[in-house]
Order: sequence, then structure tokens, then C-alpha cells
Amino acid sequence: AQSVAQPEDQVNVAEGNPLTVKCTYSVSGNPYLFWYVQYPNRGLQFLLKYITGDNLVKGSYGFEAEFNKSQTSFHLKKPSALVSDSALYFCARILTGGGNKLTFGTGTQLKVEL
Amino acid sequence: DADVTQTPRNRITKTGKRIMLECSQTKGHDRMYWYRQDPGLGLRLIYYSFDVKDINKGEISDGYSVSRQAQAKFSLSLESAIPNQTALYFCATSDSRTAGWETQYFGPGTRLLVL
Repeated sequence: AQSVAQPEDQVNVAEGNPLTVKCTYSVSGNPYLFWYVQYPNRGLQFLLKYITGDNLVKGSYGFEAEFNKSQTSFHLKKPSALVSDSALYFCARILTGGGNKLTFGTGTQLKVEL
Repeated sequence: DADVTQTPRNRITKTGKRIMLECSQTKGHDRMYWYRQDPGLGLRLIYYSFDVKDINKGEISDGYSVSRQAQAKFSLSLESAIPNQTALYFCATSDSRTAGWETQYFGPGTRLLVL
């Protein structure tokens, strides 16, 4: 089945340190991948997407993600975390078979501490 | 995103009641979606509509129905609410004119509690 997996329910990092939020995808289907962020009591906000081209994708708020075909991964990264980055992060992919339907990972709660 | 609004933002209802959640958008997008979010499960697609005359079931459509009243409005109904429909519901939109795979833009969500 076409899916994405987020192996960590929660990631803790100190402010100023680099952060990584992991996402892997199943080999079947296309690797059209997205990252969204959800702040408390807010809807999901788009961060970045990989469709084709450069494996390093830059997005909003200083985030970037690296598409790695050999490892079937699309990890979200930021060189220096901020307390305000604390939120719930979702990886998602386009489902093939028609249309623009997304399937989401289960989410990773990022907590950035002083 | 203020361009996608959902009403109500919070709702408490009783088992067996019919309720409607509404979504409106001013982005001019042709495609609209309804998702539900449950802790530990991520978001799951309930229904989607690629234009006013096109309605499709998502992965968890049982117990739900939708209506696309206009390009800008997409409503989700629970005909007879049950407790396991307690969840956070999101509406999203996208623009098919976008080159490549278009981004979906989400509303602020409706928190529904079914007693």
C-alpha cells in the first residue's frame, strides 16, 4: 500500500540545536511528498513539497527536507531550532490512481526547549 | 489560513443527532476536501470534490455525507452522529490549475464531541 511512516511520536530538542523529524515512504506508487505543520488550535500549514528535481527542498520558516530515494526517506530538518517551532508535524504523500488525494503519516510532536 | 473558514469551530452533540459542518473558501480553488484527525492516526480523507458536480468518497466515508453547494462551499453532514465520530475535522482546498501536484490549504478545524 502507498503510505508514509513517521517512526517517532515525539522529538525533543534544545533551542539552537539542529532538528530532524523523520519520514519514510513505501516504495509502491509515486514519491510525491509533503510536510505540513500544525500549531495548537490551528489548521495544518504547508511547509514544503518534493515533486521532482533537486533532492534538497527548502520551505517555509527555515525548514528543509531531503529526498533520499535509496533510503525511501524524506526527513524534515532545520539547522537551529526555535521554541516557536514546537508543533505537530505531518508527512504526507500523493496517492496515485487519480486526483490529488493525500495520505498522511501519524504525526510527530516536536518540542523545543530552552 | 483565513481564506478557508469552518463553522462551527466547536460543537457538542448527542448520539443520533444530525449535524452539519460547513466550509467556505475565498481562494477561488476548484477542489475541496474533508478530513478527520484522530490522535495517533493522522488525518484521514472522508470525501473530496474536484468541482461542483464531482463528489467522491474517501477512505472513511461511512456515516458521512457531503454537499458542494457552490465552488466556494463544501458541507459535511453526520446524519446520525455516534461517539466514535468525535474528532477534529478539517476542510482543505486546492487549485487544479497549479502546475504539478497542487498544495492543499487547510481551514482551522472543527472540534466535534458526540456524547
